[in-house]
Amino acid sequence: DAMVIQNPRYQVTQFGKPVTLSCSQTLNHNVMYWYQQKSSQAPKLLFHYYDKDFNNEADTPDNFQSRRPNTSFCFLDIRSPGLGDAAMYLCATSRGTGTNEKLFFGSGTQLSVL
Amino acid sequence: RKEVEQDPGPFNVPEGATVAFNCTYSNSASQSFFWYRQDCRKEPKLLMSVYSSGNEDGRFTAQLNRASQYISLLIRDSKLSDSATYLCVGGPYGGATNKLIFGTGTLLAVQP
Repeated sequence: DAMVIQNPRYQVTQFGKPVTLSCSQTLNHNVMYWYQQKSSQAPKLLFHYYDKDFNNEADTPDNFQSRRPNTSFCFLDIRSPGLGDAAMYLCATSRGTGTNEKLFFGSGTQLSVL
Repeated sequence: RKEVEQDPGPFNVPEGATVAFNCTYSNSASQSFFWYRQDCRKEPKLLMSVYSSGNEDGRFTAQLNRASQYISLLIRDSKLSDSATYLCVGGPYGGATNKLIFGTGTLLAVQP
């Protein structure tokens, strides 16, 4: 059974039209992450939540926001998608943030911007 | 210089071959290392952690060379199903998971 679930698998949006990607987890993990991965590039961390505490990466554009209404769900909001935001968006979870904690990834949402 | 650097490949090898990938890291304070496997358009999945003394899991062996600041992954008796991108991941000493740095990956194609 999938433990980190992302919907939808593929998302198409228009330039400038707000879009929300969703992630849910059945692992009851404390930490949830959002990564952006462009073609042939490394996954890049956008931000993460430790419980309700939001932690933004310094170079994450303001265009990207996130919400975590409860332990199980986390959303990625892109307020005004540009062509350069087309990418795979990966949600991940972990129990904690210690050095040897394992990351569990969802299957990702492939975002296209037209 | 990238913090974690990998040869992008592709590495084209016949079934049954042994193949090795290296990954260099620039931050000498890096202490935790992992290899992830990522299939095309799918999520990364943890393949194995890399321990200081080296570790083996079936056909896969991971090594860490702190003096030269690289880690390696050796795959013996390659299978068609091993075809994927292998991501090297490093993290700082005492660092949190949000400090993990992913490499861009090395593409392996195992040919019949």
